[in-house]
Amino acid sequence: GGIITQTPKFLIGQEGQKLTLKCQQNFNHDTMYWYRQDSGKGLRLIYYSITENDLQKGDLSEGYDASREKKSSFSLTVTSAQKNEMAVFLCASSRGLEQYFGPGTRLTVL
Amino acid sequence: QQKVQQSPESLIVPEGGMASLNCTSSDRNVDYFWWYRQHSGKSPKMLMSIFSNGEKEEGRFTVHLNKASLHTSLHIRDSQPSDSALYLCAASIGGSALGRLHFGAGTQLIVIP
Repeated sequence: GGIITQTPKFLIGQEGQKLTLKCQQNFNHDTMYWYRQDSGKGLRLIYYSITENDLQKGDLSEGYDASREKKSSFSLTVTSAQKNEMAVFLCASSRGLEQYFGPGTRLTVL
Repeated sequence: QQKVQQSPESLIVPEGGMASLNCTSSDRNVDYFWWYRQHSGKSPKMLMSIFSNGEKEEGRFTVHLNKASLHTSLHIRDSQPSDSALYLCAASIGGSALGRLHFGAGTQLIVIP
């Protein structure tokens, strides 16, 4: 088995601030993903990466940057936080098609 | 545009009843369908997957797939309050062996004791 950890668990930011979320997995999976989930809604793909140093844009990449520093870690940066924004950011990894999700980072922008 | 549509948006069933959830893709290049379950405050977990036409049963859960109509459905018999969750349908489209999934908006299931 394996585990995905996300830090921080809760993130409070100010409007216009640059914010970074981190994800680590020990499954040794090749592909990693960042999703955004608004309250009670489905998942929207922000970025994904099929290997170290690879980046692929998802459907919601505008306003975000990502970095795959090594196979086990994938970071997401909110380039300019939007006022009153509230969402959960979920990291996932996969080898093949089944995705495994981390516990999420809950973002609140004041 | 959303490639995966789910219905209904929310569903309330009595304990012991049958819950039926639907999912359709608008893209004819869909390869596989997946069902994920997400309990409140938790992360999604894969529940069932289906790749070929027909039916697949695992305990109280049954998944149907009709590839011609690009439609899958999840049926939960003898529903329990612990089944209350957001059910997410996902599809892999266009031979995306890299593992990119398209998720629907979800069906919120509430099972009333």
